[in-house]
Amino acid sequence: DPKIIQKPKYLVAVTGSEKILICEQYLGHNAMYWYRQSAKKPLEFMFSYSYQKLMDNQTASSRFQPQSSKKNHLDLQITALKPDDSATYFCASSQRDWGGNYAEQFFGPGTRLTVL
Amino acid sequence: QQQVRQSPQSLTVWEGETAILNCSYEDSTFDYFPWYWQFPRESPALLIAIRPVSNKKEDGRFTIFFNKREKKLSLHITDSQPGDSATYFCAASSWYNQGKLIFGQGTKLSIKP
Repeated sequence: DPKIIQKPKYLVAVTGSEKILICEQYLGHNAMYWYRQSAKKPLEFMFSYSYQKLMDNQTASSRFQPQSSKKNHLDLQITALKPDDSATYFCASSQRDWGGNYAEQFFGPGTRLTVL
Repeated sequence: QQQVRQSPQSLTVWEGETAILNCSYEDSTFDYFPWYWQFPRESPALLIAIRPVSNKKEDGRFTIFFNKREKKLSLHITDSQPGDSATYFCAASSWYNQGKLIFGQGTKLSIKP
């Protein structure tokens, strides 16, 4: 069974629309992340959450909003979509110990977004 | 700012040879360096990782050599196999970065049979 689920696998959107990318992890981890991969920037960190709290935000635009409704969920809402947003979006998770150290990150299968 | 750099961008070696992938970084607070590999149309997967307490980490045919003074590390793949053909990413993180990984641009490795 897949440990990190991302939905949908492929997504086509029109410019200006809004989409939500879904991520659920069943590894029991307490930290989750979003990364983006495109031809221009191979693997780029976007957000990190720990215990459902935003820890770091490296996206310059407020059009990208993470949403954590449950401990093992971290969705990504993207508004006013632009063609430049076309990329594969990866969700990842890891376990943070009491010392504040993070173990290895596991990546989900990704959502490939194309904005026309 | 490109904090993690990889070279070469692409590399081709013959089956059975040793492939050497290089990585350098700028931030001296980085204390965790994982290497991920990624096959076409798949997600990145952790291959091997090192922390600066040691200067070498070995796992089968894969070895990381780490030079803290020069802020460089390299991944050596001995007895390369066609199945090792993938894009390899060097990454780094700091204890205060809340787990954020900063990735290099990747090295595309091709193994010729």
